[in-house]
Amino acid sequence: AQSVSQHNHHVILSEAASLELGCNYSYGGTVNLFWYVQYPGQHLQLLLKYFSGDPLVKGIKGFEAEFIKSKFSFNLRKPSVQWSDTAEYFCAVNSYNNNDMRFGAGTRLTVKP
Amino acid sequence: NAGVMQNPRHLVRRRGQEARLRCSPMKGHSHVYWYRQLPEEGLKFMVYLQKENIIDESGMPKERFSAEFPKEGPSILRIQQVVRGDSAAYFCASSSQDRAGQETQYFGPGTRLLVL
Repeated sequence: AQSVSQHNHHVILSEAASLELGCNYSYGGTVNLFWYVQYPGQHLQLLLKYFSGDPLVKGIKGFEAEFIKSKFSFNLRKPSVQWSDTAEYFCAVNSYNNNDMRFGAGTRLTVKP
Repeated sequence: NAGVMQNPRHLVRRRGQEARLRCSPMKGHSHVYWYRQLPEEGLKFMVYLQKENIIDESGMPKERFSAEFPKEGPSILRIQQVVRGDSAAYFCASSSQDRAGQETQYFGPGTRLLVL
């Protein structure tokens, strides 16, 4: 069964620091990959997604993620975080043509002003 | 185009009562998913439905939980005889396939269930 691992439960950064959140998945076939963000008290919003093509995906709010197939990874990055990026970030995977989406446990990001 | 709608946003029930959670998918979306989020945990898949059909309920507890997505009206997640352990946020997502057959799920605001 496919699974998703997010390595960091809680990340604390100062404003303007660079961010990288790890995501690894276990699935042997073709996958679709997603990052969602959940701001405090709000619902999940799609940050970015990868289906095929360029493995470097750009999303909203300056976020990007890189799919490295050989490492089964889809890490999320942002060169300079802001206080407003404080939220929980979820990586998710589903296999091609399969709607069974699996989410990681989430990484809570706290950005100090 | 309104997003995924869920109601109620907050629901308080006493042990043994029934909880009904509603989800209206985005316009044009025919697939609905329910997830449960426990405190300090990620989302756990519960069930995937298309109109009038349950496609995958592998994440649904075997007892007390049921879901439907009728031809008309919202999808309903029903929890009978609630227990304190059912307290959680329940999120609904909807999707439709694009021309390439790929799907992206869009989430509703969730229903936060508290069982006293």
